[in-house]
Amino acid sequence: DIQMTQSPSSLSASVGDRVTITCRASQGISNYLAWYQQKPGKVPKLLIYAASTLQSGVPSRFSGSGSGTDFTLTISSLQPEDVATYYCQKYNSAPITFGQGTRLEIK
Amino acid sequence: EVQLVESGGGLVQPGGSLRLSCSASGFTFSSYAMHWVRQAPGKGLEYVSAISSNGGSTYYADSVKGRFTISRDNSKNTLYLQMSSLRAEDTAVYYCTRSLRSAIYFDYWGQGTLVTVSS
Repeated sequence: DIQMTQSPSSLSASVGDRVTITCRASQGISNYLAWYQQKPGKVPKLLIYAASTLQSGVPSRFSGSGSGTDFTLTISSLQPEDVATYYCQKYNSAPITFGQGTRLEIK
Repeated sequence: EVQLVESGGGLVQPGGSLRLSCSASGFTFSSYAMHWVRQAPGKGLEYVSAISSNGGSTYYADSVKGRFTISRDNSKNTLYLQMSSLRAEDTAVYYCTRSLRSAIYFDYWGQGTLVTVSS
């Protein structure tokens, strides 16, 4: 099975910082990758699909890139409401798998 | 407005059974594949099971295969997860989600229902 590894597992950044989270697949998955945001005590929310397509209603400070095995989620200017855990998910083939998550905090 | 509302969670003893339901509204239920994703307390997301839009095809994660059964009733806009031989490691919030057949990412999630397996 293809494994999804996120890095870092946690990070702390200041408001206004540019933040990058990485997701690596153990085998190529083309662009079949989604990113989710889960705020504390809340339901996961889809941010990006097809590696770089922003879901409707998601702020433009979020962006995704990558293809094959290496992917990134970037927040161009961190806001206080972005405190959350972020997950990547591959969907090129079964089994569907999520990364282990990256916890983002405000410094 | 798309809504997915889970129910049926609760406390069950190891080896017991439970049936979760997910009532869908605000979209054409029969056009979407439906899925269950779970999250153990303080842990990450784990994909559990899927069913095609017409119910003809199902998928189970290895961790639940042979113990869980997914089904749907398109006339009632409802998704089900029958869970049996429950184990402590099945303790989690279970989320109902939907996807297109052609791209299995999840644009809407229910609020989740907590299943606790404990004696």
